[in-house]
Amino acid sequence: RKEVEQDPGPFNVPEGATVAFNCTYSNSASQSFFWYRQDCRKEPKLLMSVYSSGNEDGRFTAQLNRASQYISLLIRDSKLSDSATYLCVVVRGGYQKVTFGTGTKLQVIP
Amino acid sequence: DTEVTQTPKHLVMGMTNKKSLKCEQHMGHRAMYWYKQKAKKPPELMFVYSYEKLSINESVPSRFSPECPNSSLLNLHLHALQPEDSALYLCASSQLGGRNRHGYTFGSGTRLTVV
Repeated sequence: RKEVEQDPGPFNVPEGATVAFNCTYSNSASQSFFWYRQDCRKEPKLLMSVYSSGNEDGRFTAQLNRASQYISLLIRDSKLSDSATYLCVVVRGGYQKVTFGTGTKLQVIP
Repeated sequence: DTEVTQTPKHLVMGMTNKKSLKCEQHMGHRAMYWYKQKAKKPPELMFVYSYEKLSINESVPSRFSPECPNSSLLNLHLHALQPEDSALYLCASSQLGGRNRHGYTFGSGTRLTVV
């Protein structure tokens, strides 16, 4: 079993739709969590950190469930520019052992 | 513009060549990372430096040799690579430990082709 897993997709959604991604992790000692997006042939860019209390940034909401060992990302009112691969990141080992999930591809359709 | 600068952007090298990838950041971050990313796969951690000392080596073959000359610079020396080492090599930096609430800042990468 991979340490961090995501549904690879692709998720094809119309503009304006709400879409949710989940990411599960296997190591209960994981310390911090992030969502990144990566456009084709570009570097990953931080979308948001993920906290147990949940956090929101505009159309994006992230949640962490430590008991069930998963994190989620909700995107409301999808835009064409949201089309990308979304990667969850799980960190442990003194905050240095950084593991990316397998990534979920999102395609927003006009 | 990215705050982590990687050079070169593209590199083609033969299996007998020696080359180096360079990474520079001026954000005051004390942790720096090398990742390897193959097409349609997520980045895979290779090395971590904290306070200019190697803290994590993810069992990377010795033909990859990292170096951290100072807190702003990170190099990856390449020697006797194989074609399967062709990939995008990403450098990243971050604050250390629990203070890192802002994730990891990535450079735009070096696209390496081994022929």
